[in-house]
Amino acid sequence: DIVMTQTPLSLSVTPGQTASISCKSSQSLLHSDGKTYLYWYLQKPGQSPQLRIYEVSNRFSGVPDRFSGSGSGTNFTLKISRVEAGDVGIYYCMQSIQLPLTFGGGTKVEIK
Amino acid sequence: QVQLVESGGGVVQPGRSLRLSCAASGFPFSSYAMHWVRQAPGKGLEWVAIISYDENNRFYADSVKGRFSISRDNSKNTLYLQMNGLKIEDTAVYYCARGYYYGSGRLWFDPRGQGILVTVSS
Repeated sequence: DIVMTQTPLSLSVTPGQTASISCKSSQSLLHSDGKTYLYWYLQKPGQSPQLRIYEVSNRFSGVPDRFSGSGSGTNFTLKISRVEAGDVGIYYCMQSIQLPLTFGGGTKVEIK
Repeated sequence: QVQLVESGGGVVQPGRSLRLSCAASGFPFSSYAMHWVRQAPGKGLEWVAIISYDENNRFYADSVKGRFSISRDNSKNTLYLQMNGLKIEDTAVYYCARGYYYGSGRLWFDPRGQGILVTVSS
């Protein structure tokens, strides 16, 4: 199974500043079709997870452009610019290049 | 609107069985792959199982393989998870999710949903 490793475990951010989360996979997530199957989910307190970014850098419907994803191969980053109170929660990266799907351990984002 | 509603959870003793259901509405259920994802108390997300739109393909996490069975009834727009030989470590909130296609990582969880709690305890 592919292991997904996120850092840091938690992040405390001043409103308006930028948050950055790293995700590393134990194998390349680049498929022979040219796509890279790395996703970012946000789970707000008491809620179900919601997709934020798909295939590394594509924002899901309704996700503000303050969220950006980047990376390739086995190293990926989620950046949240101009952090707002509504961005708090736990962010998970996930891979789908092969089954089983696997999630990272999560990064908790809090507001200072 | 699109909705997924889980049911069937509860408290069960180790070794016993439980069947979860997920009632889907607001979209063509029979056209989508479906997933179960779980979250142990205070822990992260763990993917559990997937079933293709036509039931021809299924895949399980190693942690549940041989004990859990995913199925669906497209005539009832319902997804199931039959859980046998439950262990204490199966205690979790279980979410169903719609997949973009079989194997896709684009999962849609009902934002109004809170999953269903399964507690395995003696």
